[in-house]
Parts: sequence; C-alpha cells; structure tokens
Amino acid sequence: DVKVTQSSRYLVKRTGEKVFLECVQDMDHENMFWYRQDPGLGLRLIYFSYDVKMKEKGDIPEGYSVSREKKERFSLILESASTNQTSMYLCASSFAREINFGPGTRLTVT
Amino acid sequence: GENVEQHPSTLSVQEGDSAVIKCTYSDSASNYFPWYKQELGKRPQLIIDIRSNVGEKKDQRIAVTLNKTAKHFSLHITETQPEDSAVYFCAASTPRAGGTSYGKLTFGQGTILTVHP
Repeated sequence: DVKVTQSSRYLVKRTGEKVFLECVQDMDHENMFWYRQDPGLGLRLIYFSYDVKMKEKGDIPEGYSVSREKKERFSLILESASTNQTSMYLCASSFAREINFGPGTRLTVT
Repeated sequence: GENVEQHPSTLSVQEGDSAVIKCTYSDSASNYFPWYKQELGKRPQLIIDIRSNVGEKKDQRIAVTLNKTAKHFSLHITETQPEDSAVYFCAASTPRAGGTSYGKLTFGQGTILTVHP
C-alpha cells in the first residue's frame, strides 16, 4: 500500500517567514504533485514533477517554489509566507492511473 | 491549460434518491477522468474513473458517463445513503508531454453532497 507522508499536519507561521513543506512517498512513483485546497475552489495545482530535478509550474505557482533532489521527496517552499497562503496543502504521487494523496498540511499564516 | 468546471456546488437529496454531478473540461487531449470522494478531515479517495475510449462505466451504485464530443462527464449515484454524504471532486488528466502516460490532474471545484435520512 502506497504511503505518502507529509512533515506536518498543522503549521502556524508568521508573515514573511520562509516555510518548507515536505512530502515523501515510498513506492518509487515518478510523478509528484503539490495542491492547495480551499473551500469552493477545489484542489488547485501549484507545482508538479515527473522526475528527479525536474519541476513544472501548475496553475497557481506564484509565491511558491519546489525542490526534488531525490525521487521519493518533493518539497514545497513558500519563500515569504503571506496571509493569502493560509490553506490546506496536499501532496500526491502517482504511477499510471493510480494517484495517492498525503494527509495534508493545514498551514495558517498570521 | 486544462480547465474543469463542476456543478452543482451543493446538492441535497433524500435517502434513496439519485444524485448527479456534472463536469466539463476544456482540453481535448485529456484522456482520463477520475472522481474522488472526500470525507471531512480526510484525504480524497478515488471512487470511480473512466478512460477516454469508454463512454460509460458502472460500479454497484455509482456510474460515470463521458461525452468526448461535448467534453463533459457526469457522476451518477443511485439509492443514496447517508454515508454518501461528502465532498465529491471530478478531475481530468492531461497526458505527459510526448506520450500517452497519465500526467497531472486538474480538479473541479467540488460538490458538497448531503443525503438526508
């Protein structure tokens, strides 16, 4: 059973801080994704990666960056956190049709 | 890029009734259309999916239909039960560049389904 884990379930940060959200999957999946989930907006794709050291912008990349130095790990970085980045962040990995989500990180920026 | 629209945003039905959720997509290259159910506080879970070469698929009380020409697909739940209450998301998958491998998912806005006993 694929396991996708995220470093924190809940996180509170201050405006302007640099924030790291870590995601690790244990099934050697090539594809990894970062989504943010907001009520009424669904899941919106921030960044994705199809291979190590490869990254592509999703639909809402502004204010975010990512890093994928190892196949199993995909990190989301908020360079300077702002209040409008308060949200639920979901990591996912996939192989073929199978996509698996992590438990999510509820980030609050004050 | 791909754009997925989902309607309605909320749906309230009586137990035993049917529920229908509709989605449209914009990218004719999208080739895979999954549906996810998300219960409160939990991660989305795949409930049914359909590939672009199939028009309809059924799994017990759940069915999905796809109209590629019109670029829309729908989720049908029959004989609804209170435990069907959740948020449902449709999604469309755009193939990875240069091939037909499944790639990123673009999600609809979600439908809050409430089934009243």
